[in-house]
Amino acid sequence: EVQLVESGGGLVQPGRSLRLSCAASGFSFDDYAMHWVRQAPGKGLEWVSGISWNGGSTAYADSVKGRFTISRDNAKNSLYLQMNSLRAEDTALYFCSREGGGTHFDLWGRGTLVTVSS
Amino acid sequence: QSALTQPASVSGSPGQSITISCTGTSSDVGGYKYVSWYQQHPGKVPKVIIYDVSKRPSGLSNRFSGSKSGNTASLTISGLQAEDEAEYYCASYTSIRTWVFGGGTKLTVL
Repeated sequence: EVQLVESGGGLVQPGRSLRLSCAASGFSFDDYAMHWVRQAPGKGLEWVSGISWNGGSTAYADSVKGRFTISRDNAKNSLYLQMNSLRAEDTALYFCSREGGGTHFDLWGRGTLVTVSS
Repeated sequence: QSALTQPASVSGSPGQSITISCTGTSSDVGGYKYVSWYQQHPGKVPKVIIYDVSKRPSGLSNRFSGSKSGNTASLTISGLQAEDEAEYYCASYTSIRTWVFGGGTKLTVL
């Protein structure tokens, strides 16, 4: 089955770190660029970060630049998001998503919830 | 990286057609053909319904269509059905190699 499964979310204090993972299966992971998209409770979708198929190119939203780092391990069919210096406004459901055809997000995981609170 | 502008809400009766707009700039919507639309039902995962401005994923109803003029993209849903009631988001690639979503539009089927 073609799917993405996120993990690693949880409750964390402001200023602390958290690492999210996304396990891909059912397709050739290293053929695709991958992204993280988040959704704060009751709010809209926000693109967070993306990485090319080989990890050679990355991009970040201004809201997370310098604090978050995206990476991937094609041998393990996995995508990661290292989140440092977390803030209350980072509280959201974090989705892992596949970039289809280089132009859109064609496959989504169910998300992992990150709550930043003291 | 400002969010693309969508109306907060639209509504229509069953069988009618509605259009949702998505306004950006020449650095995103106006500059690329990489505009896509996503449908999200409450508590569910987003699902792509239009990509590359006007293409539909395989198997998706042709009641959904997309277009673009200048810096504004549009999603039209014809023959409204109760199951179309959901939140709709547009997205675009940008000139600084990032992606940006619209704020979302809640569609109510009366």
